Amino acid sequence: SYVLTQPPSVSVAPGKTARITCGGNNIGRKSVHWYQQKPGQAPVLVIYYDSDRPSGIPERFSGSNSGNTATLTISRVEAGDEADYYCQVWDSNSDHLFGGGTKLTVL
Amino acid sequence: EVQLVESGGGLVQPGGSLRLSCAASGFTFSSYAMSWVRQAPGKGLEWVSGISGSGYSTYYADSVKGRFTISRDNSKNTLYLQMNSLRADDTAVFYCAKQNGDYSEFDYWGQGTLVTVSS
Repeated sequence: SYVLTQPPSVSVAPGKTARITCGGNNIGRKSVHWYQQKPGQAPVLVIYYDSDRPSGIPERFSGSNSGNTATLTISRVEAGDEADYYCQVWDSNSDHLFGGGTKLTVL
Repeated sequence: EVQLVESGGGLVQPGGSLRLSCAASGFTFSSYAMSWVRQAPGKGLEWVSGISGSGYSTYYADSVKGRFTISRDNSKNTLYLQMNSLRADDTAVFYCAKQNGDYSEFDYWGQGTLVTVSS
């Protein structure tokens, strides 16, 4: 079955750029979606179809997808961006599949 | 404004049953596929089950196949998850989520309802 691999944690200083990766076999051929989840809250969609942003999501959030890695990039990181981030794809064998999640820590 | 409100969670003994509900508003419910996604304490997200807008097509994760049944009542704008033969590892917060397309992203989520399976 298809597997999505995310680093368990990423740390970044305020104002810097955070990059969170999501690895999968030929993931560049799939559409990748990203969710932000803060403690005690439901997930929120922040990027869909690799690089599109829902209304209300800051332009600081962007995405890319190529080869075996999809990347969520958060520019000019703020304290309020501290959260868990999950990538997600649809796979014909696994249906909807989430990565294990990455905890973003703002130093 | 899209709203999804889950209910029906609680404490249940192993082997027991529970039915979750998700009341939807703010969009044409029958036009969209819906899913249930769960999150065990301290763990990541796991897709559980999905259903097409018409209700004719249903999908399940292997971990719940044969034990859980997803359904919807489009006249009541409500999504359901009937959970039977519950096990301790089913303990989780269950979220209902609206899909923007049959195989696409979850664009809106409910606040979740906690299911605890314990004796």
